[in-house]
Amino acid sequence: AQSVTQLDSQVPVFEEAPVELRCNYSSSVSVYLFWYVQYPNQGLQLLLKYLSGSTLVESINGFEAEFNKSQTSFHLRKPSVHISDTAEYFCAVSNFGNEKLTFGTGTRLTIIP
Amino acid sequence: DTAVSQTPKYLVTQMGNDKSIKCEQNLGHDTMYWYKQDSKKFLKIMFSYNNKELIINETVPNRFSPKSPDKAHLNLHINSLELGDSAVYFCASSQLDRSSYEQYFGPGTRLTVT
Repeated sequence: AQSVTQLDSQVPVFEEAPVELRCNYSSSVSVYLFWYVQYPNQGLQLLLKYLSGSTLVESINGFEAEFNKSQTSFHLRKPSVHISDTAEYFCAVSNFGNEKLTFGTGTRLTIIP
Repeated sequence: DTAVSQTPKYLVTQMGNDKSIKCEQNLGHDTMYWYKQDSKKFLKIMFSYNNKELIINETVPNRFSPKSPDKAHLNLHINSLELGDSAVYFCASSQLDRSSYEQYFGPGTRLTVT
């Protein structure tokens, strides 16, 4: 069985400050890792994913996440946030060869002007 | 063009009623999913169909019955609705190959049972 833990349910950050959203996972087999973003009253959109290769993955809007196998983590970071980043962020995991996505409980990122 | 669409967007109904939610994807994907998001935003998979065949069926009450008439459609029928069924239901689709495990989500259907 696989599981995902997002310890921070809410993260308030001042505009243009850096942010880190934490994600830890548990799995007995190799994993694929994802960050999805949900803007208010919308569906989920894929932000970035780790399947293999370089452990540092980036999104087109300045977010990055690093896969750390020894710490079973996939934390999401952005060096400078904007008001438009206000959303709910979900970390998710699936096992190699299994398309089932298991989500964390989400982190609400609130940007303070 | 909408990739994954759901109807209706909002659904308000009374306990005991039967209702359906429809989902369609125009991405040519072979796999479709239903997720339930509760009031605390927790997302949990309910069902998954690959080429019209049920491949994931989580511990969901049998009042919930998915139906996939073809690869592009996955509908969710709910019998005898209960208050606890109130949630946002998301449909998603993906193409199962080794190069991508991305799931594309619809806008959601907010179901309110009174």
